[in-house]
Amino acid sequence: SSELTQDPAVSVALGQTVRITCQGDSLRTYYASWYQQKPGQAPVLVIYGRKNRPSGIPDRFSGSSSGNTASLTITGAQAEDEADYYCNSRDISGNHPWVFGGGTKLTVL
Amino acid sequence: QVQLQQSGPGLVKPSETLSLTCTVSGGSVSNGVYYWTWIRQPPGKGLEWIGYIYYTGSTNYNPSLQSRVTISVDTSKNHFSLRLNSVTAADTAVYYCAGAGKNDAFDIWGQGTLVNVSS
Repeated sequence: SSELTQDPAVSVALGQTVRITCQGDSLRTYYASWYQQKPGQAPVLVIYGRKNRPSGIPDRFSGSSSGNTASLTITGAQAEDEADYYCNSRDISGNHPWVFGGGTKLTVL
Repeated sequence: QVQLQQSGPGLVKPSETLSLTCTVSGGSVSNGVYYWTWIRQPPGKGLEWIGYIYYTGSTNYNPSLQSRVTISVDTSKNHFSLRLNSVTAADTAVYYCAGAGKNDAFDIWGQGTLVNVSS
């Protein structure tokens, strides 16, 4: 399958740790990237190459991977982390170069 | 730092052609670093990859849109463009231009353009 599957919604208490997951066959071969999207804004890359953070992304964001599952972990979630999070990776199906997950709405309580 | 600035109309009539441009600043569209990409997001939905162009002119399109989409690059104006023909209401979305670098991640994005397809 060329799809990436994410839970539609996840919630976390302020200051606690949350893991957002992404599953798909592509992830057995390719690294996942993660994007944060706030309402009315363009997505922002937060993790690439499985666990690398672009400049300016807080170190409370981390990435990991095992088998067909990639994870984005936010350690000590802040109110400003409330957003939609999308994973993407190269696509093994050959239909197109990249595939996106359906997105996870993170609510910080 | 490379930045992307989108331009184009926010309203297109059904059956007509959607045209958007993405201007690259702080770098060259011919730098060979990025796959210049268009992505769209229907209201309230997720991200859909439309296609890309490399500085060599090589293109790759989403099979679901391939018959209607053209992405081109103009090195003299340092921009790349999207054309989507025969639009319907289903093409209503926020359209983003983006650059995918060697790390296979979209690390630069335009600001997005909401395009409504309506008569």
